[in-house]
Amino acid sequence: KQEVTQIPAALSVPEGENLVLNCSFTDSAIYNLQWFRQDPGKGLTSLLLIQSSQREQTSGRLNASLDKSSGRSTLYIAASQPGDSATYLCAVPNDMRFGAGTRLTVKP
Amino acid sequence: NAGVMQNPRHLVRRRGQEARLRCSPMKGHSHVYWYRQLPEEGLKFMVYLQKENIIDESGMPKERFSAEFPKEGPSILRIQQVVRGDSAAYFCASSPVKGIRGGGYTFGSGTRLTVV
Repeated sequence: KQEVTQIPAALSVPEGENLVLNCSFTDSAIYNLQWFRQDPGKGLTSLLLIQSSQREQTSGRLNASLDKSSGRSTLYIAASQPGDSATYLCAVPNDMRFGAGTRLTVKP
Repeated sequence: NAGVMQNPRHLVRRRGQEARLRCSPMKGHSHVYWYRQLPEEGLKFMVYLQKENIIDESGMPKERFSAEFPKEGPSILRIQQVVRGDSAAYFCASSPVKGIRGGGYTFGSGTRLTVV
């Protein structure tokens, strides 16, 4: 049974800092992995979908990497801004499993 | 092309009443997934459906909860005889195919159920 873990559970950084969010999964037989953002009281917004054949996906200041063999994905956020404050969730869609999320606070 | 539509956005029910949550997937998507999110917690998988079929309901509570995705119309998540512990946000997602080779999930905005 696939299990998805995200570390850290919460992270607070000053504005402008580069940061890395981690996601690990136990079953490496995945088709893809998806990162989401969730603002308080809101739904989920898809950030990046990275296919199993890919190593990286980039969108603006966001970069997601995937290492299937080690069961890990990272979400890199460059030059963080207060507007990046949200909970970030990773998911393995084929197994319908989510991590518990990392709550990010970027302080002005 | 409208996204995943969930309604109502907010639903208040008294203990013992029934709650019906609706989800219309994106056009062209035939797979629907329901998730529950308790306050300050992650998303927990409940059920995966295709048209007229329940594919995986391993996350559904054994009693009071049911889901359907009829040939016509939205998917419905039904909670009978609600209790306070059912208060949560319920999210629906859709995808064109399971395994999502290329597509990924698209989520609705959720229904926030409050049981008083």
